[in-house]
Amino acid sequence: GQQLNQSPQSMFIQEGEDVSMNCTSSSIFNTWLWYKQDPGEGPVLLIALYKAGELTSNGRLTAQFGITRKDSFLNISASIPSDVGIYFCAGQLPGNRDDKIIFGKGTRLHILP
Amino acid sequence: DGGITQSPKYLFRKEGQNVTLSCEQNLNHDAMYWYRQDPGQGLRLIYYSQIVNDFQKGDIAEGYSVSREKKESFPLTVTSAQKNPTAFYLCASSISGQGGSGNTIYFGEGSWLTVV
Repeated sequence: GQQLNQSPQSMFIQEGEDVSMNCTSSSIFNTWLWYKQDPGEGPVLLIALYKAGELTSNGRLTAQFGITRKDSFLNISASIPSDVGIYFCAGQLPGNRDDKIIFGKGTRLHILP
Repeated sequence: DGGITQSPKYLFRKEGQNVTLSCEQNLNHDAMYWYRQDPGQGLRLIYYSQIVNDFQKGDIAEGYSVSREKKESFPLTVTSAQKNPTAFYLCASSISGQGGSGNTIYFGEGSWLTVV
């Protein structure tokens, strides 16, 4: 089946550093979503992208819907301790009648003391 | 408050028992979903429903059952046939039940199921 390749799998950074993660696929998507999950909680929607080339910000977070519609990235600027968690990308395929949204395997963000 | 409510947050199951996880949403969403998440892993789709009284199997439906008698409710039963049920279960919902662009999925807070 279709897959989303999310990278990196994990990141170890210093507080204050910028972070970048991305998702790629061989398939074209018409929606890209980015979520953050804290331990023991459900994923929370960070940014939703609906149009190729769209660049959207949410505070220190910026995400882009790739022009080819096969990729998306999420950047976090000036990381802080509460950014720790798992970040998931998700995409919806065009003409997907069953509304099944495909998830990446997540990027686990660690902030070193 | 609008949102998706899962209960219980923690549930313990004995071997051979069926247990049911509740999911209720007041977002007026057509589609609802159940995902399973194992520690350190991504999300795997168990079942989904686009409309009341209809649901489809996801990628790992064996050992699970669902019902969708009301738009706002989508309970998941973990049956004794599920041999490795210990996991974190996430319910979700989205507006569109008919595909198309602009579909956004929202999650509940999750339920932990442990076999004892």
